[in-house]
Amino acid sequence: GEDVEQSLFLSVREGDSSVINCTYTDSSSTYLYWYKQEPGAGLQLLTYIFSNMDMKQDQRLTVLLNKKDKHLSLRIADTQTGDSAIYFCAERGYGGSQGNLIFGKGTKLSVKP
Amino acid sequence: GAVVSQHPSWVICKSGTSVKIECRSLDFQATTMFWYRQFPKQSLMLMATSNEGSKATYEQGVEKDKFLINHASLTLSTLTVTSAHPEDSSFYICSARGGASGRAYEQYFGPGTRLTVT
Repeated sequence: GEDVEQSLFLSVREGDSSVINCTYTDSSSTYLYWYKQEPGAGLQLLTYIFSNMDMKQDQRLTVLLNKKDKHLSLRIADTQTGDSAIYFCAERGYGGSQGNLIFGKGTKLSVKP
Repeated sequence: GAVVSQHPSWVICKSGTSVKIECRSLDFQATTMFWYRQFPKQSLMLMATSNEGSKATYEQGVEKDKFLINHASLTLSTLTVTSAHPEDSSFYICSARGGASGRAYEQYFGPGTRLTVT
């Protein structure tokens, strides 16, 4: 079945760049998403990329997609303490299951001052 | 981005009672709404998908008679946990996706409802 994998933890220093990686198995994925979840809160849609794109940049966020390797990454430039949260990668397949999102387990980003 | 609200944000109820959680898309019409359950330090588990005006589609292992979902309008879906038990205690998150262009591929999440059954 479809699967999305992420590393569970990442720790960086304030001001550094953070790179969160994700791999997925569904080659028919149409859209890939990054969500941010702060403690006790719902998920905030950060950005998404269509599967025919290689890169998307939005302010401090850069998404890179290697469709051949089924690898997605999220780079956060100039990471701030407010970026500390859990980041979920998700992929949306084509057709089946009404195109539901398949989530990774989330990467907990800790930003040290 | 679009806004999805949930009410209540937290609820404590006694075992055997029923609890209704509301999910509203505030600034767009959500043709499809999703209900997720999240256990501590875990990812989201999809419970069911509902399209406005039709019956919800439940994921395998989710009891449809226990978790009643109603998607009566394009901006409102409700999840009712019937005869709640302590094992139903969890964080329930709804999500909405629009059908119109510009929203069909954006899925927004509510802030979640913390349910504690005593």
